[in-house]
Amino acid sequence: AQSVTQLGSHVSVSEGALVLLRCNYSSSVPPYLFWYVQYPNQGLQLLLKYTSAATLVKGINGFEAEFKKSETSFHLTKPSAHMSDAAEYFCAVSEDTGFQKLVFGTGTRLLVSP
Amino acid sequence: DAGVIQSPRHEVTEMGQEVTLRCKPISGHDYLFWYRQTMMRGLELLIYFNNNVPIDDSGMPEDRFSAKMPNASFSTLKIQPSEPRDSAVYFCASRGFTEAFFGQGTRLTVV
Repeated sequence: AQSVTQLGSHVSVSEGALVLLRCNYSSSVPPYLFWYVQYPNQGLQLLLKYTSAATLVKGINGFEAEFKKSETSFHLTKPSAHMSDAAEYFCAVSEDTGFQKLVFGTGTRLLVSP
Repeated sequence: DAGVIQSPRHEVTEMGQEVTLRCKPISGHDYLFWYRQTMMRGLELLIYFNNNVPIDDSGMPEDRFSAKMPNASFSTLKIQPSEPRDSAVYFCASRGFTEAFFGQGTRLTVV
């Protein structure tokens, strides 16, 4: 069965610093991978998705992620953090083309300090 | 479109009572998902529907949980009887051709 592991339940960065949120996946077939963001008291919003096209995926709000099959990773990055990026980020995997069953990681809370 | 609409946003109930959570998906979306989010277990898929038909309910924790989708614009998740360990945020999501869109969730507290 597919799964994702997010390393670090909390990540703290200063405003303007690089953001790196880690995600490793386990899948028996080529996976579809997603990053979602959740702001306080809100639902989840899709940041970006990998669906076997380009390995470097660009998303909203300046985020991007690179699919690395050899490392089974799909880390999320942003060159310069903004205060508004403070939120919880979830990596998710699906093995089927219809994305019916998304399996989520445990989430990483991003804290941004001035 | 107003997005996925869930009601109520907050629900506090006593143990043993019946609780019904409601969801209105985005018009035209043919998949609907119910998720539960807790600190201990994170986000768990409970059940999902395709064209109003339940496809996979393997995530429903117990027989106390049931979900229905009587038409394309409405779904319910019912817990009867409720227990304190059911306290969580319950999310509904709908999907059309590509990504899934989530509602704002219902925060359920069972005391």
